[in-house]
Amino acid sequence: DSGVTQTPKHLITATGQRVTLRCSPRSGDLSVYWYQQSLDQGLQFLIQYYNGEERAKGNILERFSAQQFPDLHSELNLSSLELGDSALYFCASSAPWTSGRDEQFFGPGTRLTVL
Amino acid sequence: GDSVTQMEGPVTLSEEAFLTINCTYTATGYPSLFWYVQYPGEGLQLLLKATKADDKGSNKGFEATYRKETTSFHLEKGSVQVSDSAVYFCALSSNTGGFKTIFGAGTRLFVKA
Repeated sequence: DSGVTQTPKHLITATGQRVTLRCSPRSGDLSVYWYQQSLDQGLQFLIQYYNGEERAKGNILERFSAQQFPDLHSELNLSSLELGDSALYFCASSAPWTSGRDEQFFGPGTRLTVL
Repeated sequence: GDSVTQMEGPVTLSEEAFLTINCTYTATGYPSLFWYVQYPGEGLQLLLKATKADDKGSNKGFEATYRKETTSFHLEKGSVQVSDSAVYFCALSSNTGGFKTIFGAGTRLFVKA
């Protein structure tokens, strides 16, 4: 158990719909990262937040948005869903940069299926 | 830009065989290097890391050495087990030119009994 929690575990929805994925980081971690993993196993970095502020952005679609709240949990919002958005979405967290520990701890993922 | 390249899979080995998964990187500055493992149906978990040149990371019989001269961080294990079947990801993190973490494409390993 990494200490990172994600809900829901599975999500099935239809094209055109909007969903929200939730992530709670490990206690003490300030950074939250979101990744998309497609069926061919590739891991694509979407976005990173640090203590409530956006810190780095990857190949995140304009239909996707995220935020990190004062209690440090994060939500990833996916809208106008397409079949190709079906994937595993992982959240990860890491300790403050000043700790010198930069490894990431991954949650169990949310499997999104768009029908 | 910074990048990580790892050997394509799948890699299929018999139990007790020697494993090498190659990983090379391109980065400015002095990144930290990682190997993560993803078992079926699970999220990624850190396998080992190295933070500076010539450091060797090791865990569960796996090891990798940070080679700055060849910009490589190859993963090795002397004798694999069926339970090592998983996807292995090489990654780097750097705070040069802005903080970033970059993952390789992953290499699937199958170990046959």
